[in-house]
Amino acid sequence: AQSVTQPDIHITVSEGASLELRCNYSYGATPYLFWYVQSPGQGLQLLLKYFSGDTLVQGIKGFEAEFKRSQSSFNLRKPSVHWSDAAEYFCAVGAHMNTDKLIFGTGTRLQVFP
Amino acid sequence: ETGVTQSPTHLIKTRGQQVTLRCSSQSGHNTVSWYQQALGQGPQFIFQYYREEENGRGNFPPRFSGLQFPNYSSELNVNALELDDSALYLCASSLVGDTEAFFGQGTRLTVV
Repeated sequence: AQSVTQPDIHITVSEGASLELRCNYSYGATPYLFWYVQSPGQGLQLLLKYFSGDTLVQGIKGFEAEFKRSQSSFNLRKPSVHWSDAAEYFCAVGAHMNTDKLIFGTGTRLQVFP
Repeated sequence: ETGVTQSPTHLIKTRGQQVTLRCSSQSGHNTVSWYQQALGQGPQFIFQYYREEENGRGNFPPRFSGLQFPNYSSELNVNALELDDSALYLCASSLVGDTEAFFGQGTRLTVV
């Protein structure tokens, strides 16, 4: 079955600290992988996406993610977190040419302390 | 700004009633997908419309239905509302074959 697992429900970091949010997927075909961010009361904003090629992808707001096929993982990272990064983060997987029929994880809520 | 707009932003309905949610696609986009996001959960795919036809459906009952209009805007209709239908409903528009869907701000539906 196709699924996305985000093992961490809630993460708290200090401003300026590094961040890694975990994402594992189960998908039969070659996956298209995404990370979205959702601020309270807002819709989803795409941070980055991976389709093929270089397994380290750069996104907006200083985020990056690394695709590891052997581990079925697509972890999101940021070297230095800002207070404005506090939000809910969702990992999602989609099929080739159907990237708007996405399967989402349950999300990780990021809290940032000054 | 994504250009995808949804209305209304908030809505309160009584169990058993019917509701219609609306979505205006980003200019040039011909595909609309709807998602349901329950509190504390990730969005779940309801269905997608392409060229006014349903083009894929998730695990939702038939009382969830939709329409897409010639201008590519879309409606989500839910009949016989249940308490568990309380959620944030997100609309996403895209160009078929493209690699990114743009999400609206959502409609928060509360069923009492």
